[in-house]
Amino acid sequence: DAKTTQPTSMDCAEGRAANLPCNHSTISGNEYVYWYRQIHSQGPQYIIHGLKNNETNEMASLIITEDRKSSTLILPHATLRDTAVYYCIVRVRASNTGKLIFGQGTTLQVKP
Amino acid sequence: DAGVIQSPRHEVTEMGQEVTLRCKPISGHNSLFWYRQTMMRGLELLIYFNNNVPIDDSGMPEDRFSAKMPNASFSTLKIQPSEPRDSAVYFCASRHREMNTEAFFGQGTRLTVV
Repeated sequence: DAKTTQPTSMDCAEGRAANLPCNHSTISGNEYVYWYRQIHSQGPQYIIHGLKNNETNEMASLIITEDRKSSTLILPHATLRDTAVYYCIVRVRASNTGKLIFGQGTTLQVKP
Repeated sequence: DAGVIQSPRHEVTEMGQEVTLRCKPISGHNSLFWYRQTMMRGLELLIYFNNNVPIDDSGMPEDRFSAKMPNASFSTLKIQPSEPRDSAVYFCASRHREMNTEAFFGQGTRLTVV
């Protein structure tokens, strides 16, 4: 599975959009981009995933560049409860294992 | 569904004692994962099972660690003997392999070995 690079930390004002970048320059054609987050003292939580088209669900939007070498997770109206560590993971979706390899992630601090 | 259930939520034990962590996956899920999280190493995959069979245990730190899945609704992670460096939060996760669902994580067990 391809490796990812994320900033260590980011701040965002409450009510504003939080844009979390992720670089995955070695991504393969059959690898998806997944985002999970971990709120303090809880287990990781799935947010969204995509292959090459932009995706949106009730939690967030995922923008993937045309060359697929980077992506951005967007939380459109961040709240204090969105303060968490956000993990960008790249893997083959149809993987026999489904195992997730976590990096260090981005610590997002949403401030009032 | 109650989600992935782990017990106990907190465990404090003395060095040298045996520790058993428990996990009940989401009903119907047939893949189960054990992770360990520390400040120094982050989230590490220890072992995973498909249909109750261990597939990859390369992440298990050493022979003191063992994991079993006697049936589809229960798994254990055992440490014997425990050491202070085993102190961490241990997470269990499950998914449905054929339906390609995402992994759902439990709330974790915080283990402290003194």
